[in-house]
Amino acid sequence: KQEVTQIPAALSVPEGENLVLNCSFTDSAIYNLQWFRQDPGKGLTSLLLIQSSQREQTSGRLNASLDKSSGRSTLYIAASQPGDSATYLCAVILAGGTSYGKLTFGQGTILTVHP
Amino acid sequence: ETGVTQTPRHLVMGMTNKKSLKCEQHLGHNAMYWYKQSAKKPLELMFVYSLEERVENNSVPSRFSPECPNSSHLFLHLHTLQPEDSALYLCASSLRGLATGELFFGEGSRLTVL
Repeated sequence: KQEVTQIPAALSVPEGENLVLNCSFTDSAIYNLQWFRQDPGKGLTSLLLIQSSQREQTSGRLNASLDKSSGRSTLYIAASQPGDSATYLCAVILAGGTSYGKLTFGQGTILTVHP
Repeated sequence: ETGVTQTPRHLVMGMTNKKSLKCEQHLGHNAMYWYKQSAKKPLELMFVYSLEERVENNSVPSRFSPECPNSSHLFLHLHTLQPEDSALYLCASSLRGLATGELFFGEGSRLTVL
């Protein structure tokens, strides 16, 4: 059974810092990995999708890397801003089968960026 | 209107009530999903529909009944719920199966069962 772990569970940083969020998964047979952001009481917003054949994806101040063999992904946020405060979730799609249901989420990292 | 839209955003119901959650996607996607998000637990997949056919049913109690009349609309019918069913219910869609496609979520319907 695929398990996804995110570390740290919570992170508080001053504005302007660069930071790294970690995601690890137990089964490396994945199709892809997706990072999401969730604001309190809201739905999830897709940030980055990394296919299993890729090593990293970038979008603005965000960079996500994937090391499938070691079962790890990192989300790097450069020059953090208070508006980045949210819960960040990673999810992996297990390869094989229909692929519709094998999306496993971590419990998230709660990020607070204070001015 | 674009994206994935869920209504109502908030719902309070008694244990004997019958209500429905609605999801609509304007992305031209073929697959739609219901997820449940409870406090301090990872998201749990409930149901998946692909081209209006249910392809996943994740051992969800029968008091939750999904309906997908077409590829743009998804409903979750609720009846005789329990207080532990209180949660944020999230609808999502993808162009195809998740092997190649991103998952796009709605804002969620916050359900409270009294």
